[in-house]
Amino acid sequence: DVKVTQSSRYLVKRTGEKVFLECVQDMDHENMFWYRQDPGLGLRLIYFSYDVKMKEKGDIPEGYSVSREKKERFSLILESASTNQTSMYLCASSPPGMGYGYTFGSGTRLTVV
Amino acid sequence: QQPVQSPQAVILREGEDAVINCSSSKALYSVHWYRQKHGEAPVFLMILLKGGEQKGHEKISASFNEKKQQSSLYLTASQLSYSGTYFCGTERAQGAQKLVFGQGTRLTINP
Repeated sequence: DVKVTQSSRYLVKRTGEKVFLECVQDMDHENMFWYRQDPGLGLRLIYFSYDVKMKEKGDIPEGYSVSREKKERFSLILESASTNQTSMYLCASSPPGMGYGYTFGSGTRLTVV
Repeated sequence: QQPVQSPQAVILREGEDAVINCSSSKALYSVHWYRQKHGEAPVFLMILLKGGEQKGHEKISASFNEKKQQSSLYLTASQLSYSGTYFCGTERAQGAQKLVFGQGTRLTINP
C-alpha cells in the first residue's frame, strides 16, 4: 500500500516563527499536494508539484511556500506563521495520468499562538 | 471555485439509503469521491471520468452527469462503518490532476 507520512501529528508554534511541515511518500508518485482543511470549508489547495523542483500555486498560496528537492519529499513552509494559519494540513500524492485517486497522509494539526 | 455539496449533514438509521450531491458551476473532466472518518485521513472511494459513467464500490455507487456538472454518491443499505464526512473533488481539465474539493457532507449512521 502507498504510504504518505507527515512528520508531525500536532504542532504548536508562535506567531512569526518559520514553520516546516514535512511529507514523504514511498511509492514513487510524481504528483504531490498540500491542502489545508478547515470546518465548513472542506479542503483547499495550497501548492502542488508534478515533479522534482517543480511547484505550482493552488487556490490559497499566500503566506506559504514549498520545496521539492527529492521525488519522495514535499515540504510546506510557513514563512512567518500567523494565527489565521491555525488549521489541519493534509499532504497527498498520486501517480500521473487519468483515473488515479489521491493517497492522503494523516495530517498535521498546526496551532499558531 | 469550490463545488457545492448537498446536504451538509444527514443522519440515518442503519439499513437506510442516502444520496450525496456535488455540483459545480464549471465544466468538469472528472469527479473523485473520498470518505474521511473522524481523526483520520480521507480515503479514496472512486473516480468518475467524463462520459456519464456510473461506478460502484460494494454498496456505494456514483454517477456523473457532465452536462449538468453534477455527481451523486449513492449509499444503499447503509452500515455503521459508512459514517464519516464525504468529499467530492473535481478536476476541471484533462491532465490537470489537481482537485478542487467541496465542503463535505457529514453522514451519521445510527443503529
